[in-house]
Amino acid sequence: GQQVMQIPQYQHVQEGEDFTTYCNSSTTLSNIQWYKQRPGGHPVFLIQLVKSGEVKKQKRLTFQFGEAKKNSSLHITATQTTDVGTYFCALDSGTYKYIFGTGTRLKVLA
Amino acid sequence: DGGITQSPKYLFRKEGQNVTLSCEQNLNHDAMYWYRQDPGQGLRLIYYSQIVNDFQKGDIAEGYSVSREKKESFPLTVTSAQKNPTAFYLCASSIAQNTEAFFGQGTRLTVV
Repeated sequence: GQQVMQIPQYQHVQEGEDFTTYCNSSTTLSNIQWYKQRPGGHPVFLIQLVKSGEVKKQKRLTFQFGEAKKNSSLHITATQTTDVGTYFCALDSGTYKYIFGTGTRLKVLA
Repeated sequence: DGGITQSPKYLFRKEGQNVTLSCEQNLNHDAMYWYRQDPGQGLRLIYYSQIVNDFQKGDIAEGYSVSREKKESFPLTVTSAQKNPTAFYLCASSIAQNTEAFFGQGTRLTVV
């Protein structure tokens, strides 16, 4: 079946440093979504990417969809302590069935 | 306020007992989902429902059952057949395919 690999599994950064997480699929995707889950909380939708090569920005967050639509990345510029949490990519298998990646847990050291 | 409500937030049960987790949404969404999350792990799909009176197994459906008698409600029963039920359970809904999923606050189930 479809597999969604996310790397790295963990990342500790000093406040102000940049952070990137990558999501790789074994199959071509129709779209990809990104979610953030704060410690002890629930996942919250961040963005959806649909087009090949698409780049979207939300303040310090930059989301990219690969040209072949098999991978995606989330980059955070100048991390802050509020960025702490786990970032998940998720893809729709085509039948309402969202498959989540394993997540990248981000820790920001002040 | 529109949203998804899961109850209870914490649940303790004895081994061998069935337990039902509640999930209600007033977003008028057709699709609803149940996920399981283990410590430090990702989300694994248990069951999903695209429409009332219809539901499909996800990747880890064994030991779980659901019903979808009303659009607003999608309860999950963790049966005694589930070998390792202690986990964080998340319910979600979406208005349609290829749209964002909205999650409830989750229920943390501990079986002792």
